[in-house]
Amino acid sequence: NAGVTQTPKFRILKIGQSMTLQCTQDMNHNYMYWYRQDPGMGLKLIYYSVGAGITDKGEVPNGYNVSRSTTEDFPLRLELAAPSQTSVYFCASSTQGFETQYFGPGTRLLVL
Amino acid sequence: AQSVAQPEDQVNVAEGNPLTVKCTYSVSGNPYLFWYVQYPNRGLQFLLKYITGDNLVKGSYGFEAEFNKSQTSFHLKKPSALVSDSALYFCAVRRTGTASKLTFGTGTRLQVTL
Repeated sequence: NAGVTQTPKFRILKIGQSMTLQCTQDMNHNYMYWYRQDPGMGLKLIYYSVGAGITDKGEVPNGYNVSRSTTEDFPLRLELAAPSQTSVYFCASSTQGFETQYFGPGTRLLVL
Repeated sequence: AQSVAQPEDQVNVAEGNPLTVKCTYSVSGNPYLFWYVQYPNRGLQFLLKYITGDNLVKGSYGFEAEFNKSQTSFHLKKPSALVSDSALYFCAVRRTGTASKLTFGTGTRLQVTL
């Protein structure tokens, strides 16, 4: 099993550009999550999903969108990139809601 | 509201010595508590969790954690530190119940030296 995979590893965006961060898991987990990690701030939940077709907001959803058309994939969309979105983004999955989570390697995003 | 405090930004330990990484929490009702470790340029990895039962929880790589309800703490411990334990450690909490999300602490960097 590959576990949770994320692409790209690193990306530089200009202000106002858009992009999609990809996340795929092959563990057949129903629950998937997107977090952002800022230095000294721990992890903040952006969005999560309890299954295909069902998503919900976390603590910091503004400026982001998600979709969950399949069990495996949970892409995160940034529509109008802002410098405040410079961060490391982690995708995670779990069998039960907010139980033991399995994390991807992260995507480092720089918005200039 | 629920919260987690990791009062030390960094803990320095010599290899072979015992280590403790502190975590205190605030949550209404009974807590679920987790420890995760993050190695450089990697995602978080699950170490151990407390749901119910014995207050001493054993996890991966020889780590253990002690749940103390009266002190609302869940400190991570290891009897003998290794240089390879050097990493960033996160404590996380949620209350029991399906509607509760996970709250992470700000992390503690563990540095183990020879």
